[in-house]
Amino acid sequence: DVKVTQSSRYLVKRTGEKVFLECVQDMDHENMFWYRQDPGLGLRLIYFSYDVKMKEKGDIPEGYSVSREKKERFSLILESASTNQTSMYLCASSSGQVGGSEQFFGPGTRLTVL
Amino acid sequence: RKEVEQDPGPFNVPEGATVAFNCTYSNSASQSFFWYRQDCRKEPKLLMSVYSSGNEDGRFTAQLNRASQYISLLIRDSKLSDSATYLCVVMRGSYIPTFGRGTSLIVHP
Repeated sequence: DVKVTQSSRYLVKRTGEKVFLECVQDMDHENMFWYRQDPGLGLRLIYFSYDVKMKEKGDIPEGYSVSREKKERFSLILESASTNQTSMYLCASSSGQVGGSEQFFGPGTRLTVL
Repeated sequence: RKEVEQDPGPFNVPEGATVAFNCTYSNSASQSFFWYRQDCRKEPKLLMSVYSSGNEDGRFTAQLNRASQYISLLIRDSKLSDSATYLCVVMRGSYIPTFGRGTSLIVHP
């Protein structure tokens, strides 16, 4: 059974804290993605990576950074958390098939920044 | 015009009804399209891919209209378990997906 796991289901942090969200996939996928999902706004792409140590900005990268040191792991970093980063964060992975392939999502991390 | 647009609904239908959703996209160069399903408080999961020739899987039919730049999802004989949010996905380039905001479906007894 294919799996994408995320380090926490729920997280509460204070404004200004540094926050790490981790994602691990066991499918040997080339591509990994970080999204946030907010009511009425849908899924928005923050960053993605198509290979180890490679990263590309998505649609809303401001305030975030990422790290991909190993193929199976993709981390999202909030350098200084702010209340407007309170959201559901979803990680996904997909194979490198040209034209796009199925995205497999993790269960999500609900982050609250106080 | 937004890249990918969906009617948020909710579509409220009785069991057994047929319901259809559309999703419009702005980039005429888009090549790949998908429908995902997301249950309440769960992650999205692939429902079906959308091929140029159309695609049918049981009660679900997906179609692509390139001339008018939209994809559609038809659900026949709706079940209570079909209640969910349906997300349209249009690929930008080879592997960057753009998600629509989703269409909410509620099937009632």
